[in-house]
Amino acid sequence: DTAVSQTPKYLVTQMGNDKSIKCEQNLGHDTMYWYKQDSKKFLKIMFSYNNKELIINETVPNRFSPKSPDKAHLNLHINSLELGDSAVYFCASSQGRNNQPQHFGDGTRLSIL
Amino acid sequence: GEDVEQSLFLSVREGDSSVINCTYTDSSSTYLYWYKQEPGAGLQLLTYIFSNMDMKQDQRLTVLLNKKDKHLSLRIADTQTGDSAIYFCAEIYTGGFKTIFGAGTRLFVKA
Repeated sequence: DTAVSQTPKYLVTQMGNDKSIKCEQNLGHDTMYWYKQDSKKFLKIMFSYNNKELIINETVPNRFSPKSPDKAHLNLHINSLELGDSAVYFCASSQGRNNQPQHFGDGTRLSIL
Repeated sequence: GEDVEQSLFLSVREGDSSVINCTYTDSSSTYLYWYKQEPGAGLQLLTYIFSNMDMKQDQRLTVLLNKKDKHLSLRIADTQTGDSAIYFCAEIYTGGFKTIFGAGTRLFVKA
């Protein structure tokens, strides 16, 4: 019955590889987000989709590409992984674009060797 | 600009009250939130306050909002060891339709 679920929970891979992280929410929300949390726990928005439309695209390298096949899913694909991509990536969802609290997944811990 | 600031660390004894402070910049924010993050977990919404309120109480949690000073605080009464976590203050930045998070306050509760 997990509300926002991300897979995988842990991802260890080598520099230069391409990887994907999947996110699904069963809350019926229409807005989904990807955040990056660095080693100092600072949380930064990367992308947001509302009804499958990209509404927030922060200064993120082109190697990161989100894809929303439907309102309940927002996946994150990363090409040519770099050491600096090591972080915890959180998916979140909310109802509407403003004012509603976001519900977070448990995070995907990405480690680049 | 958009910015939310919090002190990074707070240490209290079990049974004492904890007060976590936050300042924000967007005066047009309509909601302000407190999230809790336990080790290895995602952020969990603790409580929120609407901008036309000064105070909100929810069991052991009290949120105070000073709109004039753009200051938000979270008071946890009778702090327990299970309250040890990182607490994030967040505001909706109405200019960009996004939520801005503070850096998080690490609360340590000593038994």
